[in-house]
Amino acid sequence: QQQVKQSPQSLIVQKGGISIINCAYENTAFDYFPWYQQFPGKGPALLIAIRPDVSEKKEGRFTISFNKSAKQFSLHIMDSQPGDSATYFCAASISNAGNMLTFGGGTRLMVKP
Amino acid sequence: DVKVTQSSRYLVKRTGEKVFLECVQDMDHENMFWYRQDPGLGLRLIYFSYDVKMKEKGDIPEGYSVSREKKERFSLILESASTNQTSMYLCATGRREQYFGPGTRLTVT
Repeated sequence: QQQVKQSPQSLIVQKGGISIINCAYENTAFDYFPWYQQFPGKGPALLIAIRPDVSEKKEGRFTISFNKSAKQFSLHIMDSQPGDSATYFCAASISNAGNMLTFGGGTRLMVKP
Repeated sequence: DVKVTQSSRYLVKRTGEKVFLECVQDMDHENMFWYRQDPGLGLRLIYFSYDVKMKEKGDIPEGYSVSREKKERFSLILESASTNQTSMYLCATGRREQYFGPGTRLTVT
């Protein structure tokens, strides 16, 4: 049973559009929510992360929105570019439980030129 | 820059073979992790280690074992490879932020 559910599994967006990937979690003890980006042939790399005491975090074109009451968080990629084409994973962890990450199933994003 | 290297990018093994996957990190991190990545299932934790000679089971440890004799090196062992262990294997290190190696794509025939 996946503790972090991610949708959609795949996403196609036109260049310049907004890409939105959603995640939902069940364990209210999670206190750290990172997003990882993975290009073909590479391991995942941390893209952006949020803690539950804030509702939004923005870094450049990437924004995490966090809804604690709904136990949901999402990644928004503004002005999507072909170079953003990758697989994105949301994750969650608990600080006093070894910081082990629980990952969502991943979203394969393709940005068409 | 953190560097995490994995011994092989691609590996083909036969059913029943013993398989060793090695991971080396250069950041002096205590924590090291082994995941497998399968389409639609994301990354699932197999084992992790928080110190030399220490190991803890993750979510899917069945069919795997690990070894951590030195701080920088964490090995994943498939005692008797089976076809359902065909997957991408990723090693990671770090604390809150994890740094991943490039992965080993293992095919068991």
